[in-house]
Amino acid sequence: NAGVTQTPKFQVLKTGQSMTLQCAQDMNHNSMYWYRQDPGMGLRLIYYSASEGTTDKGEVPNGYNVSRLNKREFSLRLESAAPSQTSVYFCASSGTPERYQPQHFGDGTRLSIL
Amino acid sequence: AQKITQTQPGMFVQEKEAVTLDCTYDTSDQSYGLFWYKQPSSGEMIFLIYQGSYDEQNATEGRYSLNFQKARKSANLVISASQLGDSAMYFCAMSYTGRRALTFGSGTRLQVQP
Repeated sequence: NAGVTQTPKFQVLKTGQSMTLQCAQDMNHNSMYWYRQDPGMGLRLIYYSASEGTTDKGEVPNGYNVSRLNKREFSLRLESAAPSQTSVYFCASSGTPERYQPQHFGDGTRLSIL
Repeated sequence: AQKITQTQPGMFVQEKEAVTLDCTYDTSDQSYGLFWYKQPSSGEMIFLIYQGSYDEQNATEGRYSLNFQKARKSANLVISASQLGDSAMYFCAMSYTGRRALTFGSGTRLQVQP
């Protein structure tokens, strides 16, 4: 029962470097999400995808891009990392209709930008 | 704007006692969902319980129950017979029409004392 798998679990980057966070789910869910969690705060939505080939911006999309490669995979890319992007990143997926279905989360990626 | 408020940054409870974690929400939507998640120190997000806005009965899942008071816009989590393993951050979250992702509160840190 893998559920939602995120890679990597930890990463340290220098300012200006780029990287892609990977996420895959095996629950046949249509909807997938990327959130970030900063100290002392709840999760904030970066991007959302309702299905393969569709993506929508969330509350904090600046500095990020996403790709919904297929039904299983949803990646998050930082093109030019900034210290303000130091955070814990969570990928999640859910069935539909989304407002009645729990979201299932990966274990998170702890990202530090120096 | 839709908002989730958790007014208790931290709570203490003795092992085997019950504890209530507060959550109030603000929405003009008639159709919405309320969720509680647990985040232990290891960092993962664990879904606990769900309540739909049209559900007439309070949701229960094992030792967890949701005290849903629609007129007061509150959705408090009740944990009965607390265990040491219940020590964690607890987040209340809401979904509603037009926003497929979750809006999270800032969380309550629960510490269970032996």
